[in-house]
Amino acid sequence: DTEVTQTPKHLVMGMTNKKSLKCEQHMGHRAMYWYKQKAKKPPELMFVYSYEKLSINESVPSRFSPECPNSSLLNLHLHALQPEDSALYLCASSQDEGGNEQFFGPGTRLTVL
Amino acid sequence: GEDVEQSLFLSVREGDSSVINCTYTDSSSTYLYWYKQEPGAGLQLLTYIFSNMDMKQDQRLTVLLNKKDKHLSLRIADTQTGDSAIYFCAESFDSNYQLIWGAGTKLIIKP
Repeated sequence: DTEVTQTPKHLVMGMTNKKSLKCEQHMGHRAMYWYKQKAKKPPELMFVYSYEKLSINESVPSRFSPECPNSSLLNLHLHALQPEDSALYLCASSQDEGGNEQFFGPGTRLTVL
Repeated sequence: GEDVEQSLFLSVREGDSSVINCTYTDSSSTYLYWYKQEPGAGLQLLTYIFSNMDMKQDQRLTVLLNKKDKHLSLRIADTQTGDSAIYFCAESFDSNYQLIWGAGTKLIIKP
């Protein structure tokens, strides 16, 4: 299994809602990542988990809250988002934090109204 | 600091070869990558090259690395309509999670 899966595929939420994005991989990878990608731009790194511990937070606002319940799962909890947070949210994984191949999921297209 | 540059668009005829170019500033990179992103989709790792190599071939894809000029290219032979996408080059550094990305080149295929 060489796939990273993400759910939901699309999400529309209001600014007062709480929602979660989910990511799963079964490649035995020990590093997992959240990226945000705006249209026609490269992805921007948000968070890195290494061995289920938060390794990097790239100064992301607290309305985004990551969680790594186990080595295969990565969640991104969303609360009180702003319209400018609308973007494609991509999850990726690699063998470890220095891993040279990051495999990406298909993304969740988020729209904040 | 690190910087990776790509031209924003490339237009080629179906059946021709496409050559997408990328330049970077930091020569201490360990790996250089090409990712493909089709409309509405995630990023697909196409290929990567270790920094001490100068060429890698994989079926229709050929990666050339010129370390002296800090230039990376991706050649797609016999370009097909399914190759329409944005192609991102990226570099990484030893023992570092972070990928430094180019802005992406949109490949447009003309019939």
